[in-house]
Amino acid sequence: QKEVEQNSGPLSVPEGAIASLNCTYSDRVSQSFFWYRQYSGKSPELIMSIYSNGDKEDGRFTAQLNKASQYVSLLIRDSQPSDSATYLCAVSRPNQGGKLIFGQGTELSVKP
Amino acid sequence: GAGVSQSPRYKVAKRGQDVALRCDPISGHVSLFWYQQALGQGPEFLTYFQNEAQLDKSGLPSDRFFAERPEGSVSTLKIQRTQQEDSAVYLCASSFSGGLTSYGYTFGSGTRLTVV
Repeated sequence: QKEVEQNSGPLSVPEGAIASLNCTYSDRVSQSFFWYRQYSGKSPELIMSIYSNGDKEDGRFTAQLNKASQYVSLLIRDSQPSDSATYLCAVSRPNQGGKLIFGQGTELSVKP
Repeated sequence: GAGVSQSPRYKVAKRGQDVALRCDPISGHVSLFWYQQALGQGPEFLTYFQNEAQLDKSGLPSDRFFAERPEGSVSTLKIQRTQQEDSAVYLCASSFSGGLTSYGYTFGSGTRLTVV
């Protein structure tokens, strides 16, 4: 079992719809959770971080964390073609200096 | 500079050749990380520095990989006797904080290494 698992996709949604990206992690001591967006040929870009159970909203993005279920998700409202990218989930454990463990990423395609 | 700078952007190496990849972190950042990203995969942790101290090198895949940060700023990742499986994008990131909690960080543009 991989430490961080994501559906590789591709996930295809129409423009204006809600895109839902999911991630599960295996280590219960995981402490911090991140979503990165990666456009083709570019480096990952941090878009959301979440540290406690519940929802965190930033513009069109909402991150949701459920530590009991070891599950973190990213919702993108009013999806735009410019949101088409690979979304990477990453987790960190305490006392590891900031080391991140990434999932394989989910490719999102937003169709006009 | 404003961000993490990596050079070269692209490197083609013949199998068996040694390569050196450079990372210039954001000025004043304490922590520096190297990751390897194979095609279609998420980044994989290689090693971590806090200032000049290499605190975690558990991700280095073999003893052909070596990283240093002698003055606590610029870092170099060296790969000796490159193999085709070393072909990947090598990403560097830096962070102001280090230690107990990760607050995420910004990656450089990466170096795409192709071993032929």
